[in-house]
Amino acid sequence: QKEVEQNSGPLSVPEGAIASLNCTYSDRGSQSFFWYRQYSGKSPELIMSIYSNGDKEDGRFTAQLNKASQYVSLLIRDSQPSDSATYLCAVNIVSGTYKYIFGTGTRLKVLA
Amino acid sequence: GAGVSQSPRYKVAKRGQDVALRCDPISGHVSLFWYQQALGQGPEFLTYFQNEAQLDKSGLPSDRFFAERPEGSVSTLKIQRTQQEDSAVYLCASSPDRDRHTFGSGTRLTVV
Repeated sequence: QKEVEQNSGPLSVPEGAIASLNCTYSDRGSQSFFWYRQYSGKSPELIMSIYSNGDKEDGRFTAQLNKASQYVSLLIRDSQPSDSATYLCAVNIVSGTYKYIFGTGTRLKVLA
Repeated sequence: GAGVSQSPRYKVAKRGQDVALRCDPISGHVSLFWYQQALGQGPEFLTYFQNEAQLDKSGLPSDRFFAERPEGSVSTLKIQRTQQEDSAVYLCASSPDRDRHTFGSGTRLTVV
C-alpha cells in the first residue's frame, strides 16, 4: 500500500461545477495535510493546509479531513478553466522522520 | 529574496559526471527540503535541513547523493557519477515552520 494515494485522473468537470479531489494516507500518526497545485512544467504551489478533523474553507477551496478514515479531500467550487492542473496531496510522516510524502497527483481538467 | 531560487534551471550531464545543484531559500526560512520529481509522479522526499543541521537524509537514493547547507542559508545538492536514472526535476522548498513549503522553479537534470 502506498503511503499517500490519489486517483491519477484525469478528472473532467464542466466550468462552474464542483470538483472533488480525494486522497487517502496510511500513517495514522500524521498530523499535517496539504494540497498543492502544479501547473504543467511548473513547480507545486501550496493552496490549502489542514490539521484538524472537519472542513476548512478558503475562497472557492474547501479542504476536508477525516483522521479516523485516513482521508483528506479538496473541493473546488465554481471551477474555472484556470483551475486545470495537477493537484498533489501531501502528508507529514511522524515515524521518526521529517518526511513529507506526496501523492502522485490528480489531473483536473475544467471544460469551458 | 522574494522566492526560492534554484540554479541552474536546466542541466545536461554525461553519465559519470558530477553535478551540483544550488538552492537559495527565502530569507529567514529555517527549514529547507530537497525533492526529486520524475515525470508524472509527485515530488519524492530526499533530505531536510533545519538551519545548517541535516536532520533527515533518509530519502537520498544512494551514497552518490550528498546535500549541505553550511551556513543555514544556501544549500547545494551534489550528485556524483551521475546515472541515467538520476534524470528528473530536483525541487528545493523552504518553509518558516517546516510545514508550508514554498518551492523553487526546480532544476531539470538530464543524464545522457
